[in-house]
Amino acid sequence: GQQVMQIPQYQHVQEGEDFTTYCNSSTTLSNIQWYKQRPGGHPVFLIQLVKSGEVKKQKRLTFQFGEAKKNSSLHITATQTTDVGTYFCAGRGYGQNFVFGPGTRLSVLP
Amino acid sequence: EAGVAQSPRYKIIEKRQSVAFWCNPISGHATLYWYQQILGQGPKLLIQFQNNGVVDDSQLPKDRFSAERLKGVDSTLKIQPAKLEDSAVYLCASRAPGLENEQFFGPGTRLTVL
Repeated sequence: GQQVMQIPQYQHVQEGEDFTTYCNSSTTLSNIQWYKQRPGGHPVFLIQLVKSGEVKKQKRLTFQFGEAKKNSSLHITATQTTDVGTYFCAGRGYGQNFVFGPGTRLSVLP
Repeated sequence: EAGVAQSPRYKIIEKRQSVAFWCNPISGHATLYWYQQILGQGPKLLIQFQNNGVVDDSQLPKDRFSAERLKGVDSTLKIQPAKLEDSAVYLCASRAPGLENEQFFGPGTRLTVL
């Protein structure tokens, strides 16, 4: 079945540094979503990417969908303590349900 | 608008006991999901409903887990009997009509099986 992998598993950064998490699927995706889960909270939708090579920005967050629609990345510029949490990608194969990756846990040191 | 409601928030049971979780999705959301999230992992889909019909239950351990959404609104997920490895957060999510829409998650029920 479809597998979704994310690296790194953990990332510790100093406030103000950049952060990137990478998501890879074993199969070609129709679309991909990103979610953020704060400690003790539930996943909250950030964005969805659909087109090959698509790039979307939300303030300090930049999301990319690979040309082959098998990988994606989330980049945060100048991290803040409010960025702390676990970032999940969820990939949907054609005709299938979303499969969540294991997540990247971000810690931001003030 | 009100979010996805779940109850209880926490539940502690002993192995071999039964437990049930309840979810009330956002009004108008025809699609409802139940996920299992083990500590340190991503959510794993257990079952998906479209209105009151099951769309995908391929990863539901049917020997012990069951779920229903009889009137196409709220839903219950049951585990009988529970095992130690069922300790997890059970998340309910709902989605508005349309394949591209985001999933809205409830706060989850944290289950501890002793």
